[in-house]
Amino acid sequence: DAKTTQPPSMDCAEGRAANLPCNHSTISGNEYVYWYRQIHSQGPQYIIHGLKNNETNEMASLIITEDRKSSTLILPHATLRDTAVYYCIVGNDYKLSFGAGTTVTVRA
Amino acid sequence: SQTIHQWPATLVQPVGSPLSLECTVEGTSNPNLYWYRQAAGRGLQLLFYSVGIGQISSEVPQNLSASRPQDRQFILSSKKLLLSDSGFYLCAWSVGSGSYEQYFGPGTRLTVT
Repeated sequence: DAKTTQPPSMDCAEGRAANLPCNHSTISGNEYVYWYRQIHSQGPQYIIHGLKNNETNEMASLIITEDRKSSTLILPHATLRDTAVYYCIVGNDYKLSFGAGTTVTVRA
Repeated sequence: SQTIHQWPATLVQPVGSPLSLECTVEGTSNPNLYWYRQAAGRGLQLLFYSVGIGQISSEVPQNLSASRPQDRQFILSSKKLLLSDSGFYLCAWSVGSGSYEQYFGPGTRLTVT
């Protein structure tokens, strides 16, 4: 019962911005949008989260549409170390539901 | 700063043998604790979570169990391993109620032979 839809894979050039889309058309009013990433053979790493407003931190920016049915994670200057599986998650409970995510490959 | 430890890093166990994986968190009090499993080539599956000592919620019925004997200690166990128990086991912590900012440990890669 996945609540989000992400493209299975995408490539990005090193040094360019990477824009990762996520659809969550059934999101409820009190559910947050969270992004995590998992580098090969490591545990997932929290990136950013938001409810309604756009958010930015040292790792990325999160753009949420006004109707909250979709969002975009932006990695402003992708590096080779950003190659990972990126998970978009929605919810408001203790339980994270990880889908298949988007495999992002940053190429030199 | 907070640190999460898991051990062992890798484990090879025969079918039918017992299992005990340990996770400890340092630098925080009363964390929420989680156990996840990731089968090869698949996404993460939440197995158990705990919001306090002795409080365990199970998400998936299986031959695994979890215990929280101390505030910052979370243990995953099995009496008899199955081949299907092979996978990457991850412990995570968070603070506060309903927090989705979970911080993961390095994981234990379990192979059941």
